[in-house]
Amino acid sequence: TQLLEQSPQFLSIQEGENLTVYCNSSSVFSSLQWYRQEPGEGPVLLVTVVTGGEVKKLKRLTFQFGDARKDSSLHITAAQPGDTGLYLCAGRNNDMRFGAGTRLTVKP
Amino acid sequence: EAQVTQNPRYLITVTGKKLTVTCSQNMNHEYMSWYRQDPGLGLRQIYYSMNVEVTDKGDVPEGYKVSRKEKRNFPLILESPSPNQTSLYFCASKGQGAFQPQHFGDGTRLSIL
Repeated sequence: TQLLEQSPQFLSIQEGENLTVYCNSSSVFSSLQWYRQEPGEGPVLLVTVVTGGEVKKLKRLTFQFGDARKDSSLHITAAQPGDTGLYLCAGRNNDMRFGAGTRLTVKP
Repeated sequence: EAQVTQNPRYLITVTGKKLTVTCSQNMNHEYMSWYRQDPGLGLRQIYYSMNVEVTDKGDVPEGYKVSRKEKRNFPLILESPSPNQTSLYFCASKGQGAFQPQHFGDGTRLSIL
């Protein structure tokens, strides 16, 4: 059983569409990070959220940390083929636990 | 350039033949860790090290060993590899501070026949 459940597991959309992916847990985290991983490479950090209810924007990406610090979402506006990749969330307390990821494909 | 370097990138070997995957970082990070990534299971931590000569088990340590004799290096050792250790392995390092990101290597794909 995953400590962090990410949904959907796979998502395939057309260029220009909006999408939201989710990261849910029954555990409270002191912080949560989102990473993006491309084929043949390791994950790369996108953002860290710390405060319950926090919203951070990174260009077309909007990250939200749930009020109870148990869940998070990533919204992408007007997706582009360059957004294609595996999106991983990771929750931190004393250690860091990763979700299984959402594999996003954006078709031109 | 700040980086985490893993070698080899790919390895096909046979059951029982000892192997070592090396990991080196040039960022003077105290914290280093090893993960394996399997479909549907995400990244699972094998071992981590808070500093030189300090190592601890992660979630899936069975069948693996590590050492941290120098700050920059954190090799992963499979003394007697088995097919269930076929996976994609990542080494990562992190600076001090709870909110620092982990910097990952590009991965090592191991196939144990």
